[in-house]
Amino acid sequence: AQTVTQSQPEMSVQEAETVTLSCTYDTSESDYYLFWYKQPPSRQMILVIRQEAYKQQNATENRFSVNFQKAAKSFSLKISDSQLGDAAMYFCAYRREYGNKLVFGAGTILRVKS
Amino acid sequence: GAVVSQHPSWVICKSGTSVKIECRSLDFQATTMFWYRQFPKQSLMLMATSNEGSKATYEQGVEKDKFLINHASLTLSTLTVTSAHPEDSSFYICSARSYRSYNEQFFGPGTRLTVL
Repeated sequence: AQTVTQSQPEMSVQEAETVTLSCTYDTSESDYYLFWYKQPPSRQMILVIRQEAYKQQNATENRFSVNFQKAAKSFSLKISDSQLGDAAMYFCAYRREYGNKLVFGAGTILRVKS
Repeated sequence: GAVVSQHPSWVICKSGTSVKIECRSLDFQATTMFWYRQFPKQSLMLMATSNEGSKATYEQGVEKDKFLINHASLTLSTLTVTSAHPEDSSFYICSARSYRSYNEQFFGPGTRLTVL
């Protein structure tokens, strides 16, 4: 079974600084998708970024980028120029290429200090 | 686009009663809907997957007779918690996917259930 591990329960970052959230996963599949979701205090899940495993290029979305290391099964999220609105719980998630199920990590609480 | 709503946003009920939670896709047809459960400060756990017009597929350990899921149309799925008990108190989140957006699930805002 696939598992997703987020080893950082909480992280803090100063406003305008950069922070990296870690995620590792375990799978025997070669084709899959990886996601980072943000859950602010409103509890609404928001997709931050998606990475297809077959793509070597790291995905980027404005201030958000990932470092995808397929051999190491690592998928970290870098948030640049952190803003107060980035404060939230961040979940890393995995899905098989043609699967339904999203497997979530335990989450990392990100606090942004002004 | 791709908005998913849930109703109610929160509900309090007495132990032993049943509660129905609705999940609607407002601007797209959801061929597949998912129901998750989230305990405070914990991750989301998939409870079941439902395809329109078919019986739901439940994850291991989820009681199908307790958590009844109906996906009767392409825009509506319901989760009914039958004979609710305090341990069923949780945050329930639905998500929806269309055949056009296979790689993305759109999440609802969640429903907080408190069973007294």
